[in-house]
Amino acid sequence: DVVMAQSPLSLPVTLGQPASISCRSSQSLVHSDGNTYLNWFQQRPGQSPRRLIYKVSNRDSGVPDRFSGSGSGTDFTLKISRVEAEDVGVYYCMQGTHWPPAFGQGTKVEIK
Amino acid sequence: EVQLVQSGAEVKEPGESLKISCKGSGYSFTSYWIGWVRQMPGKGLEWMGIIYPGDSDTRYSPSFQGQVTISADKSINTAYLQWSSLKASDSAMYYCARQDGSDWHDAFDIWGQGTLVTVSS
Repeated sequence: DVVMAQSPLSLPVTLGQPASISCRSSQSLVHSDGNTYLNWFQQRPGQSPRRLIYKVSNRDSGVPDRFSGSGSGTDFTLKISRVEAEDVGVYYCMQGTHWPPAFGQGTKVEIK
Repeated sequence: EVQLVQSGAEVKEPGESLKISCKGSGYSFTSYWIGWVRQMPGKGLEWMGIIYPGDSDTRYSPSFQGQVTISADKSINTAYLQWSSLKASDSAMYYCARQDGSDWHDAFDIWGQGTLVTVSS
């Protein structure tokens, strides 16, 4: 199975400052159809997960443009350009290229 | 509005059976895969399996194969997750979610509110 490793697992950030979360997969996530099925989800405290980014860099409708996704192959990054209070929560990457799909361990973002 | 509404919290004893539900609305229920995700207390998300309500094609993650059963009733736009004999270790929040696209590669774009299952004697 593909293993998804996120870092850091805890990320204290200052309001208004940038934040970056890394996600590495144990195998390339490039599918034979040319797509890379790497997604990012946000889970705010007490809420259901919410998809932010799909296929590496496509932002979902309603997601602020301070969130961006990048990467290729086995290395991916979620960036928040300027952290706001509502961004507190746990962020997960998830791969859908290889069976079975799998989530990373999660990165907890908190305000310093 | 596209939404998934899950059944309410359950408290069960070890050995009991349970079936929780997830009702879709606002879209063509038979045209999208529905998946289930487990979140144990204080832990991360675990991908369990998916079903295509149109033809009931079902796939399980190896970690959950044989431990749970996923089903769907397309006549009432509802997917199910069931256990035949619960264990304390099944205590968790369970989310259903809609797969965005025509196959299992696509990510979940719509999530239910979650069903909390507590198994305790």
